[in-house]
Amino acid sequence: GAVVSQHPSRVICKSGTSVKIECRSLDFQATTMFWYRQFPKKSLMLMATSNEGSKATYEQGVEKDKFLINHASLTLSTLTVTSAHPEDSSFYICSARDGSRAANTGELFFGEGSRLTVL
Amino acid sequence: AQSVAQPEDQVNVAEGNPLTVKCTYSVSGNPYLFWYVQYPNRGLQFLLKYITGDNLVKGSYGFEAEFNKSQTSFHLKKPSALVSDSALYFCAVRGPYNFNKFYFGSGTKLNVKP
Repeated sequence: GAVVSQHPSRVICKSGTSVKIECRSLDFQATTMFWYRQFPKKSLMLMATSNEGSKATYEQGVEKDKFLINHASLTLSTLTVTSAHPEDSSFYICSARDGSRAANTGELFFGEGSRLTVL
Repeated sequence: AQSVAQPEDQVNVAEGNPLTVKCTYSVSGNPYLFWYVQYPNRGLQFLLKYITGDNLVKGSYGFEAEFNKSQTSFHLKKPSALVSDSALYFCAVRGPYNFNKFYFGSGTKLNVKP
């Protein structure tokens, strides 16, 4: 299957600082990537859909000024948590769909996740 | 509206016994159904999917799932569980009209004991 790389896998930062997480599709082009947040009780929440060359589409309740998404190329999307606070501590997972495959068979491929801890 | 329900938070099974992880769905139109597995502090790995065709779908690591339209279910199964199957399992549905929107269940923790 297609490979999605996410970096860093773990990051610890001080409250008030910003943290950037990268998501790369290694062997395919991803016009669309997705950012999820996973809470301690394990549910996955879709935060936003990242579109190459255009603005991200945020889900209801997700602050777009807090979680900045940039999708500057067909293989890279970044999520920046701005002015992080302890309540932003979570597991963030990106995913992508291989746009070269037929749309109706397209499963998502996930990165390994990034554990953010805000002190 | 599309949704997925995984009624069990946790499933315990002895190694060598068959396992079932339950999933029911609600979707407008024909569903596209997926199972993913997550190991601790890792991303999700794709196991199998149902798009169309045979109701019994075979996937990775010996897992299979049966699509049941009348019961709107897509239960994950394996004839003989391994300790290494212990992980978190997510069922997901994607509607036919929005290829980008996946709806995940709340996850089921599978514990396989030796």
